[in-house]
Amino acid sequence: GAVVSQHPSWVICKSGTSVKIECRSLDFQATTMFWYRQFPKQSLMLMATSNEGSKATYEQGVEKDKFLINHASLTLSTLTVTSAHPEDSSFYICSAIAGYEQYFGPGTRLTVT
Amino acid sequence: AQSVTQPDIHITVSEGASLELRCNYSYGATPYLFWYVQSPGQGLQLLLKYFSGDTLVQGIKGFEAEFKRSQSSFNLRKPSVHWSDAAEYFCAVVPNRDDKIIFGKGTRLHILP
Repeated sequence: GAVVSQHPSWVICKSGTSVKIECRSLDFQATTMFWYRQFPKQSLMLMATSNEGSKATYEQGVEKDKFLINHASLTLSTLTVTSAHPEDSSFYICSAIAGYEQYFGPGTRLTVT
Repeated sequence: AQSVTQPDIHITVSEGASLELRCNYSYGATPYLFWYVQSPGQGLQLLLKYFSGDTLVQGIKGFEAEFKRSQSSFNLRKPSVHWSDAAEYFCAVVPNRDDKIIFGKGTRLHILP
């Protein structure tokens, strides 16, 4: 089946720095990828829809200048958390869409100290 | 508004007992239906999906789910749970092809030895 990878799987950064998370579809091309955020013991919250070659579409309440998304190719989308703060600490999951199904990455645990 | 409801936040069953996790959706037409499982600190794993056809679908790890149009439900079942089934379970729907996926809030399954 289709595989989506994320890198890194976990990252610790200092407050005020920026962190980039990569999401790759390994064996298929994805014109659309999604970025989710998940707080402990909660469901996934959609942050934005990433479309190859165009600007991302952000959900209401998500700061687009803070969470920069770049979908540079059909197999790669990146999420950059700029000027990270402790409240940005979370589990970030991406998915790539293929028709009716979404294939999820394994997630990235971000801890901001 | 379109929504997915998992009415049980927590469920506890004894190892070897049967399991049913409830899921209801509110859409006009039949959406594409999914069940995912998530272990702590891990990404999502697809258990099973329903697109059309036979309303009883078989998934991995001995799980099955039944789509009932009249009840707008897609309940997940397993005849005999194992301790390794303890995890968070998410029901999800995709209203139409290429739509973003909508998750329920999840049900945490606890297994008693």
